[in-house]
Amino acid sequence: QKEVEQDPGPLSVPEGAIVSLNCTYSNSAFQYFMWYRQYSRKGPELLMYTYSSGNKEDGRFTAQVDKSSKYISLFIRDSQPSDSATYLCAMSVGFQKLVFGTGTRLLVSP
Amino acid sequence: NAGVTQTPKFQVLKTGQSMTLQCAQDMNHNSMYWYRQDPGMGLRLIYYSASEGTTDKGEVPNGYNVSRLNKREFSLRLESAAPSQTSVYFCASSAVADSYNEQFFGPGTRLTVL
Repeated sequence: QKEVEQDPGPLSVPEGAIVSLNCTYSNSAFQYFMWYRQYSRKGPELLMYTYSSGNKEDGRFTAQVDKSSKYISLFIRDSQPSDSATYLCAMSVGFQKLVFGTGTRLLVSP
Repeated sequence: NAGVTQTPKFQVLKTGQSMTLQCAQDMNHNSMYWYRQDPGMGLRLIYYSASEGTTDKGEVPNGYNVSRLNKREFSLRLESAAPSQTSVYFCASSAVADSYNEQFFGPGTRLTVL
């Protein structure tokens, strides 16, 4: 069993929809939780970062961490075609070694 | 400010050949990382360097060696390439080793081993 599980998708939604992306994990020692966005044939870029449990909002994006359920989510409101990308969750115990999910491919159609 | 650069962008090798992937960052970051990305496996850490002069193994180090040449440069070497090393390789860097810092990724090197 992988430490971090993520549905690979693809997830197809119409423009303007609310998107929910999720990851589950097995290591209760994870403290740092991140979402990266990766466009086709590009390197990942950090979208959201959360320490421990709780919610964090940045514009149309909201990250949630539920450590009791070992479950993290990324919500995208008013999704745009430019949001079409692969979204990778990542988490770590300390500061160095990130463990990534496999990524969910999101397609937002106009 | 180029961020993280990687060379080459593409490479095709035959089994048993060797090559070095180059990575450089111009953000004065202390920590650097090498990942590989495979379908269905996500990004996996090969090696990392918390600071100049140190290197440590990640999740999948077998078949690879690294050199932290100086603060800017971190290279990844395949001594005897195998088809299982066909992958996309990403280099990343972050500011400091003793607190959380965003990892900035390069554009990747697509390697095919025949």
